[in-house]
Amino acid sequence: EAQVTQNPRYLITVTGKKLTVTCSQNMNHEYMSWYRQDPGLGLRQIYYSMNVEVTDKGDVPEGYKVSRKEKRNFPLILESPSPNQTSLYFCASRPRTGFGEQYFGPGTRLTVT
Amino acid sequence: AQRVTQPEKLLSVFKGAPVELKCNYSYSGSPELFWYVQYSRQRLQLLLRHISRESIKGFTADLNKGETSFHLKKPFAQEEDSAMYYCALSGNRDDKIIFGKGTRLHILP
Repeated sequence: EAQVTQNPRYLITVTGKKLTVTCSQNMNHEYMSWYRQDPGLGLRQIYYSMNVEVTDKGDVPEGYKVSRKEKRNFPLILESPSPNQTSLYFCASRPRTGFGEQYFGPGTRLTVT
Repeated sequence: AQRVTQPEKLLSVFKGAPVELKCNYSYSGSPELFWYVQYSRQRLQLLLRHISRESIKGFTADLNKGETSFHLKKPFAQEEDSAMYYCALSGNRDDKIIFGKGTRLHILP
């Protein structure tokens, strides 16, 4: 089954404790992206990647890092999480060529205390 | 600048009444427009795209290049239509998808 998976689905952590949210897709998509979703602000793009070893900042990259060492994986790293990073995070992927549908992961609800 | 605007944060409609969710865009070129839907506690999923010209769950959307709009419409709202709806744009100059801020549709019984 074609899908985007994220882990963990729920995470409660403390300020400053490094964490990684994994994202994996099995559709051989070139393009992958991370979003955060906050009430009243909609979806905001954090980082995206057009292919292996190619990443770029989205609209709200501060406080986040990403890497794309393999085509299928695109982890999101919070080196020193802060309470304002409490949010619902979605990973997504799509084929690069043409106008392809973007597939979303199930979301990761992160709480930073 | 590339932009997608959804002017309504919340739209409340009675069951059986027509629904129209507004979406306007700004893009110099030929974009593809999408509508995504997010039901409560679920992931976003594609509802429809202008290229396919389909009707999904009774919803339709027509791309109006003159008005740069892609409004989502349904003639008779159903309670299961209550959800968050996002309009999105994909351009031919890069691979980014740009989302609007979303409209929460609430169907009243």
